Amino acid sequence: EAGVAQSPRYKIIEKRQSVAFWCNPISGHATLYWYQQILGQGPKLLIQFQNNGVVDDSQLPKDRFSAERLKGVDSTLKIQPAKLEDSAVYLCASSLGGLAGWNQADTQYFGPGTRLTVL
Amino acid sequence: GENVEQHPSTLSVQEGDSAVIKCTYSDSASNYFPWYKQELGKGPQLIIDIRSNVGEKKDQRIAVTLNKTAKHFSLHITETQPEDSAVYFCAASITGGYQKVTFGTGTKLQVIP
Repeated sequence: EAGVAQSPRYKIIEKRQSVAFWCNPISGHATLYWYQQILGQGPKLLIQFQNNGVVDDSQLPKDRFSAERLKGVDSTLKIQPAKLEDSAVYLCASSLGGLAGWNQADTQYFGPGTRLTVL
Repeated sequence: GENVEQHPSTLSVQEGDSAVIKCTYSDSASNYFPWYKQELGKGPQLIIDIRSNVGEKKDQRIAVTLNKTAKHFSLHITETQPEDSAVYFCAASITGGYQKVTFGTGTKLQVIP
């Protein structure tokens, strides 16, 4: 079974530039997550999709970050304009979501991440 | 919201010794506690998990214990090997509905050969 795919793996940009990350979840997974992982910290949830709808974007800096999952499969996360403090690893994860069943643990599977450096 | 604290931030052990990582959580409604291992350049991978109706769970050299009253849970690795060297994250969540996972800050484990 193929895992969660992400691209690019690395990206270096100047501040105020824009950047986009792509994620392809595990086939059949209804829920997709984007996390930001700053060096030395745990992953922080930015946005969570259930199919193509947003269920949690409370920690997404909406003035500069946007994300979409138009067909309920692939997803794109964009930052425009980037700031120095956006330097981090951006992780995508997917899970069965509601397909896991009520009161079932919904295991998340992570991709390798995209390491963003903002200069 | 949920807050998960994790200690220690770094841990060095000799090969063959045991390693223990401890976490606390704040939300008494949390009932699912996964542990993830993150190797350099990779995303976190689930290694073991425990639900609140269980006090302990083992999988070969790895065990997790949960004290629901004290809101503490711990990861125990016995007979450590160099390949156990990685960053370990604990997490807490509530099952059902749109499950949101809150991660701890991570423990960098170094196993010295």
